[in-house]
Amino acid sequence: EIVLTQSPGTLSLSPGERATLSCRASQSVSNNYLAWYQQRPGQTPRLLIYAASSRATGIPDRFSGSGSGTDFTLTISRLEPEDFAVYYCYQYATSPRTFGQGTKVEIK
Amino acid sequence: EVQLVESGGGLVKPGGSLRLSCAASGFTFSSYIMNWVRQAPGKGLEWVSSITGSSGYISYAESVKGRFTISRDNAKNSLFLQMNSLRDEDTAVYSCARGGGGLDIWGQGTVVTVSS
Repeated sequence: EIVLTQSPGTLSLSPGERATLSCRASQSVSNNYLAWYQQRPGQTPRLLIYAASSRATGIPDRFSGSGSGTDFTLTISRLEPEDFAVYYCYQYATSPRTFGQGTKVEIK
Repeated sequence: EVQLVESGGGLVKPGGSLRLSCAASGFTFSSYIMNWVRQAPGKGLEWVSSITGSSGYISYAESVKGRFTISRDNAKNSLFLQMNSLRDEDTAVYSCARGGGGLDIWGQGTVVTVSS
């Protein structure tokens, strides 16, 4: 099983700042089959990024994904008020599929 | 409109069973891998199970293997999760989600509470 470890657990930032979230895999994620999700309180998860760096339909370009192998990053270039939420990475390269434990981006 | 709607959740005693359903609409259901994902109260997301369009390949998380069974009925655009031998730690919101890669469409979820 691929274990995904996200860091930091909580990120305290102000609107307009840049957010950098990390997801590290316990073994290489083949084909960079890694996705990122945003979950606001009381809402279902929203797909942001798939295949490590491809933005999903309708996702603003302030969200970008990068990385390969075992190290992946989600960057939010300038935080908007609606971006304060919990973010999860998810690998679909092998079964069982797995999620990271999440990073909470909170208002400083 | 592309939509997934779950049903079948409820309160069940430890050791009991439940069958969840997910009704799909607005897309060609049989063409997609479908998944169940759960979220325990105040916790993160946990992938539970996946099934290919033809039901030819099925996989489970270790935590549910041997107790849960995923299935689908493409003629009725429906996905199912039969949950047996339920435990306290299975308490969660269970959501169905579309996709073999990024899970792009999610239902609102159905609440399963396992408690005596």
